[in-house]
Amino acid sequence: GESVGLHLPTLSVQEGDNSIINCAYSNSASDYFIWYKQESGKGPQFIIDIRSNMDKRQGQRVTVLLNKTVKHLSLQIAATQPGDSAVYFCAENWRGADGLTFGKGTHLIIQP
Amino acid sequence: NAGVTQTPKFQVLKTGQSMTLQCAQDMNHEYMSWYRQDPGMGLRLIHYSVGAGITDQGEVPNGYNVSRSTTEDFPLRLLSAAPSQTSVYFCASTNSEGAFFGQGTRLTVV
Repeated sequence: GESVGLHLPTLSVQEGDNSIINCAYSNSASDYFIWYKQESGKGPQFIIDIRSNMDKRQGQRVTVLLNKTVKHLSLQIAATQPGDSAVYFCAENWRGADGLTFGKGTHLIIQP
Repeated sequence: NAGVTQTPKFQVLKTGQSMTLQCAQDMNHEYMSWYRQDPGMGLRLIHYSVGAGITDQGEVPNGYNVSRSTTEDFPLRLLSAAPSQTSVYFCASTNSEGAFFGQGTRLTVV
């Protein structure tokens, strides 16, 4: 079954607002998590990652939060822009450097 | 800086035909993998390789073969295409910073 999933298939936000995309995982052995952004017709692009020994990691306009107690991962995008419109996937790694398991994706829609 | 290059970008096959999806990376990564992406299913791992000469099965390996004769190349072979293999295929090359994906191959089997 699916070990990584997303709570909402579609998320609609106003331009300029903050976006929060959630992800749940079920494998306690997972020690590395990644968020990917996939624009229409393109391959997934790395956004940000976090290891299991961290609770929070910040990038440029993006923050990933990891709650190991409830096996929950979230991606926060500050001041959402039209270029943020894409499908966002979380992925977990529990079988080594290459064994990524992906969630089903959340489509982020930006309203003007 | 090419990164991960996949060819072809689009392909239509008849049931029973064979073909090879090509993947090449120029980042000298040891780890490479193939995923398929279907609507509502996310990305599912088909096969992966931890280095030249070593391959292993992922979640959905049936109907696909791979080989890894060099670090740079990781081709995916469909020996006898089936309509269930209609999908978008992504090759990824991985290092400690995560997986870097190609642009994808959209395959239709009729």
